[in-house]
Amino acid sequence: KAGVTQTPRYLIKTRGQQVTLSCSPISGHRSVSWYQQTPGQGLQFLFEYFSETQRNKGNFPGRFSGRQFSNSRSEMNVSTLELGDSALYLCASSFGDESYGYTFGSGTRLTVV
Amino acid sequence: QKEVEQNSGPLSVPEGAIASLNCTYSDRVSQSFFWYRQYSGKSPELIMSIYSNGDKEDGRFTAQLNKASQYVSLLIRDSQPSDSATYLCAVPHTGGFKTIFGAGTRLFVKA
Repeated sequence: KAGVTQTPRYLIKTRGQQVTLSCSPISGHRSVSWYQQTPGQGLQFLFEYFSETQRNKGNFPGRFSGRQFSNSRSEMNVSTLELGDSALYLCASSFGDESYGYTFGSGTRLTVV
Repeated sequence: QKEVEQNSGPLSVPEGAIASLNCTYSDRVSQSFFWYRQYSGKSPELIMSIYSNGDKEDGRFTAQLNKASQYVSLLIRDSQPSDSATYLCAVPHTGGFKTIFGAGTRLFVKA
């Protein structure tokens, strides 16, 4: 059974650019959540999608957006990158909702220079 | 007050000892609780879930839950150097379709 696949694994971008990260959840999982992890702030919730609908959004600026496709794959986009956006971005897959626990992907390490 | 609080550590225990990791949460109506293990440079991995008051055992791991005290803990018996990692306490936000993570406790098991 394939796990959660995140691409790319590493990204280096320049301030002001935009970036798109991709996540394919475990087959049969319809909930995809995104988290930002930094040494100072830990794991911070970005948003959650279920059946193409965003059910919740964290306290991040509008530069952070996402979407989910009919096959449950999800993308998140960060526009106008800032140095502070450098982080590990983790995708978490769940069968239904957060009460089932998450399976995380390997993450995308984003560095903004 | 943070929604999920953990001692950041580091917690250092000798090989073979019991490691005790603690977590408190603020949402009184929380129903499910999770422990994740994160090795350095890796993503978190779900290792324990607990939903009812009391103890739940899985191999060398025991999760303990006390809803009245809003306290959940993880005991690791016969600690091994391979248990050295950061342990994250996680509590789903009631009705919110999100999970709140504690800052994590770094555990070092000395051989």
